[in-house]
Amino acid sequence: NAGVMQNPRHLVRRRGQEARLRCSPMKGHSHVYWYRQLPEEGLKFMVYLQKENIIDESGMPKERFSAEFPKEGPSILRIQQVVRGDSAAYFCASSHGLAGSTDTQYFGPGTRLTVL
Amino acid sequence: AQSVTQLGSHVSVSEGALVLLRCNYSSSVPPYLFWYVQYPNQGLQLLLKYTSAATLVKGINGFEAEFKKSETSFHLTKPSAHMSDAAEYFCAVSEGSTLTFGKGTMLLVSP
Repeated sequence: NAGVMQNPRHLVRRRGQEARLRCSPMKGHSHVYWYRQLPEEGLKFMVYLQKENIIDESGMPKERFSAEFPKEGPSILRIQQVVRGDSAAYFCASSHGLAGSTDTQYFGPGTRLTVL
Repeated sequence: AQSVTQLGSHVSVSEGALVLLRCNYSSSVPPYLFWYVQYPNQGLQLLLKYTSAATLVKGINGFEAEFKKSETSFHLTKPSAHMSDAAEYFCAVSEGSTLTFGKGTMLLVSP
C-alpha cells in the first residue's frame, strides 16, 4: 500500500528556469495539499486541491506559482522563473477529505528544490 | 487566526530520560491538534492527533500528548528516550482543511 509519492526528490534549477514538482496521493485519497518548508522554519501551507478544483490557494505567492490536480495523473506544483528564494523543501500531503476529526493528512518525502 | 508556538528550537536529553516537547496553540474554535515527526531528509510522519475524544492521546513509538484547554497546550512526552527518537518534531493545529505548523523542535538524544 504505497504512501504519498513525490518526484523528483531533489531538483536543481538555475535562476529563471521552471520547476515542476509532482505528487501522487495515497490510494483512495482525492485531496491534495502542498506545503513549503524554508530552512529553520516549519511547514507553511500553500494550496489545497481536489480533482480538477483548487479549494484554497491562500498560501500561494501571487506570481510565478501555480498548482493543478487533473482528473488523471499526479498533482503538479509549477514554479516559473525561479529565484534563489524559492529554494526550499516542498511537501505534498493527501487525505480522504472527510469532514471533522477523522480526516488526517499523510505526507510525502518531499522535493528539495535548489536554485543556483 | 490559528497559530502554534513550540518552545525551544532544540531539546537535548540523555538516553533513558524523560522527553518533554512543548506546544501552545491559539484557535478561535475547538481545535484539532497533531504532532508529526520528521527524520533527516524525509517527510513528516504522524505521531498522534487530538480530536476531542480524550484529553490524553497515545501515539506511536511510546509518545503521548495531553490536551489542556485552560493552558492552551498540547505538550508531547515520552517516559524514556531512545537514540532512534532523535529527529525534528512539529506541532500543528487544524481549524478546517489545512494545517498550521509550529517552527519545530529538534530532539537530540545522547548516549
